[in-house]
Amino acid sequence: DIVMTQSPFSLAVSEGEMVTINCKSSQSLLSSGNQKNYLAWYQQKPGQSPKLLIYYASTRQSGVPDRFIGSGSGTDFTLTISDVQAEDLADYYCLQHYSYRTFGGGTKLELK
Amino acid sequence: QVTLKESGPGMLQPSKTLSLTCSFSGFSLSTSGMVVSWIRQPSGKSLEWLAAIDWDGDKYYNPSLKSRLTVSKDTSNTQVFLKITSVDIADTATYYCARRWYYGPEVYWGQGVMVTVSS
Repeated sequence: DIVMTQSPFSLAVSEGEMVTINCKSSQSLLSSGNQKNYLAWYQQKPGQSPKLLIYYASTRQSGVPDRFIGSGSGTDFTLTISDVQAEDLADYYCLQHYSYRTFGGGTKLELK
Repeated sequence: QVTLKESGPGMLQPSKTLSLTCSFSGFSLSTSGMVVSWIRQPSGKSLEWLAAIDWDGDKYYNPSLKSRLTVSKDTSNTQVFLKITSVDIADTATYYCARRWYYGPEVYWGQGVMVTVSS
């Protein structure tokens, strides 16, 4: 089973700041066949379903603001939110879909 | 417009079988590449992928729960079902169904249905 270790558990930020959330997988998520990393990022607001932000590690889903940036390859991945807005306060999860599916433990983004 | 909606019993007793239904519209599960997954989330905790069924009827299960799970679909390809046997308090969660395309991530999610296991 692939284990996804996400950090930090929580993050307190002020509007306008930049934040980074990390996700580390226990094995590589890079497909040798198509050179894609099978790693996605989701945002979940209270009482709502998760919303896909980033897929294949760095491709922004349609309609997602460009302040959300995904990076990384292999086993180490990062979600960067530049210029955090109040509407970005939510829980964030990484997902590996290389072998079955495993989510990270989540990161709660709170207002400082 | 793609929509999914989960339905379930709300509450059930330990040791019983949980039956969930995912009703969807805006796509057909008979279309090549379509996959519907089940994912759950205990209150305040992370997400756990449970099972999936694809357009060809192939089924995929979380290895750690496989012995208790059965996923199926109806012949009209507009509903997907999940059964979980021998439920325990630890199965208390919000259960989501979601759609994905081939091996991609789940893009469209239902609103979720809360299930409480309690005696």
